[in-house]
Amino acid sequence: NIVLTQSPATLSVTPGESVSLSCRASQSISTSIHWYQQKSNESPRLLIKYASQSISGIPSRFSGSGSGTDFTLSINRVESEDFSIYYCQQSYSSLFTFGSGTKLEIK
Amino acid sequence: EVQLVESGGGLVQPGRSMKLSCAASGFTFSSFPMAWVRQAPTKGLEWVATISTSGGSTYYRDSVKGRFTISRDNAKSTLYLQMNSLRSEDTATYYCTRVAYYFDYWGQGVMVTVSS
Repeated sequence: NIVLTQSPATLSVTPGESVSLSCRASQSISTSIHWYQQKSNESPRLLIKYASQSISGIPSRFSGSGSGTDFTLSINRVESEDFSIYYCQQSYSSLFTFGSGTKLEIK
Repeated sequence: EVQLVESGGGLVQPGRSMKLSCAASGFTFSSFPMAWVRQAPTKGLEWVATISTSGGSTYYRDSVKGRFTISRDNAKSTLYLQMNSLRSEDTATYYCTRVAYYFDYWGQGVMVTVSS
């Protein structure tokens, strides 16, 4: 199975800062990576598909990059509503897997 | 508007069975693969199973293979998850999701607690 490693586990930032979250795959997966946001007690929400493709209705401050094994989710100027947990997911294999998540918290 | 509404969760004893349902609306159900994703309390997301549009192909994570069965009724726009031989480690919120290689729509989730 393809293992996704997210780092850091927790990221403490001040609103207005820009951040980058990392997701590393255990083998090359082209751009078959997708990013989700999960707020407390809510269902996850799709943010980015295929590493860098935007999703309708998602603020433009969210962007993604990467290919192969290393991927990044960037948030430009974090807002208060962005403090939540972020997960990456691969679809290169039919046996989908998620990363363990990065919690974005207020410093 | 796409809606996915799960039902059928609750408390069940170890070794027993439970069947989850997911009623879909707002899109052509038969045109999309579907999946179940679960989340144990305070833990991360875990893909459970996927089913193709016709139901002819299914995929499972290793820990549920042979115990869980995903199925669908396209005439009723409903997705199912039959869970047998339940274990304490199956305790989680189970989400029904629409699949396009990524999970673009999610239900609100249904809690399954496996405990004696």
